Amino acid sequence: QQQVKQSPQSLIVQKGGISIINCAYENTAFDYFPWYQQFPGKGPALLIAIRPDVSEKKEGRFTISFNKSAKQFSLHIMDSQPGDSATYFCAASGGNNDMRFGAGTRLTVKP
Amino acid sequence: EAGVVQSPRYKIIEKKQPVAFWCNPISGHNTLYWYRQNLGQGPELLIRYENEEAVDDSQLPKDRFSAERLKGVDSTLKIQPAELGDSAVYLCASSLAYWGAYNEQFFGPGTRLTVL
Repeated sequence: QQQVKQSPQSLIVQKGGISIINCAYENTAFDYFPWYQQFPGKGPALLIAIRPDVSEKKEGRFTISFNKSAKQFSLHIMDSQPGDSATYFCAASGGNNDMRFGAGTRLTVKP
Repeated sequence: EAGVVQSPRYKIIEKKQPVAFWCNPISGHNTLYWYRQNLGQGPELLIRYENEEAVDDSQLPKDRFSAERLKGVDSTLKIQPAELGDSAVYLCASSLAYWGAYNEQFFGPGTRLTVL
């Protein structure tokens, strides 16, 4: 079922650094690309989302970069903080396709 | 605004036993989803409801899994009998509608099922 490939599987970043997580999708019918943040024992929570009519979306320290021709999108977390330590999932949906999630990236931000 | 409520939060059962999970979506959300999340993986859709109608259950193992959404509000997911491979977190999510900008899904905390 996996149609969204996410990397890396885990990521360790120093406080203040930039965290970058990458995703690639296969289905060109996808037209909605959200990122979810999940803390242990909690359900995923929407962090930021983008549609393919723009190449970048920024909300605070979080930025999505989108490359439609390459079928890739990425999440950048600027000035990473220990409180950002969580598992991040990219996802994609659209074109009568239900949401497909990546396998997740466990981010650890060291103080 | 209350979020998606799920119960129980944890369940431990012996294999071959039945188990049921309950979900109360956000008020006014017409679309309800059940996902299964295996350890170290992203959620995978099991079934999607539009109001009380199951419109996508292609990934639901129908020999042992069943679901219902009474009056288009609360939903129950049942497994009977449970197998060892069913151990996972079962997530419920809801959204205002399925298409377009309203597809933002809000997730509950999940039910962690352990089958021994």
